Amino acid sequence: DIVLTQSPHSLSVTPGQPASISCKSSQSLLHSDGKTYLYWYLQRPGQPPQLLIYDVSNRFSGVPDRFSGSGSGTDFTLKISRVEAEDVGVYYCMQSIQLPLYTFAQGTKLEIK
Amino acid sequence: QITLKESGPTLVKPTQTLTLTCTFSGFSLSTSGVGVGWIRQPPGKALEWLALIFWDDDKRYSPSLKNRLTITKDTSKNQVVLTMTNMGPVDTATYYCAHRIVGAYFDYWGQGTLVTVSS
Repeated sequence: DIVLTQSPHSLSVTPGQPASISCKSSQSLLHSDGKTYLYWYLQRPGQPPQLLIYDVSNRFSGVPDRFSGSGSGTDFTLKISRVEAEDVGVYYCMQSIQLPLYTFAQGTKLEIK
Repeated sequence: QITLKESGPTLVKPTQTLTLTCTFSGFSLSTSGVGVGWIRQPPGKALEWLALIFWDDDKRYSPSLKNRLTITKDTSKNQVVLTMTNMGPVDTATYYCAHRIVGAYFDYWGQGTLVTVSS
């Protein structure tokens, strides 16, 4: 089974400063169809997860452009160029290369300083 | 506008069977490529995918819970039902249903329903 590991476990960021979260997979998420099945979600306190990034680097509808995703193979990164108060929550990466099985990482908690 | 809403008991006793219903709008579960999945989250813990049903009635389950789960759909009612047998305290969690887009990810989620397992 594929295991996703995020780091750091938590981070505290001053508003206006950047933030970066890493997601490492135990196996390559590049499928033979050419797609890489890696996604990012944000779960604000008391809310369901919301999709931020799909297919490694595509922002979902309505997601601010301060969020960006990058990476390939087994190493992926979510970056927030300038953190805002509304970005507080837990960030999860998810893989679905072993369709239709889904795996989530353990999450990264972002707090505001 | 896609919306999903979970419903079911908030409290179940150990060994009982849990039945949850996901009622959705804004899409049809008869559209090719579309699916509805269930994901749960124990308090303070990470997300865990449980099951998925496709437009063509294909069904997939988490290997670790496969023997306890059943997912069904009623396309005419726009509902998906998840049953989980032999509930235990470790199954206490918020249960979410979510719309699965053709591209293989979950793009819209319900608000979730908290299920507590306790005698």
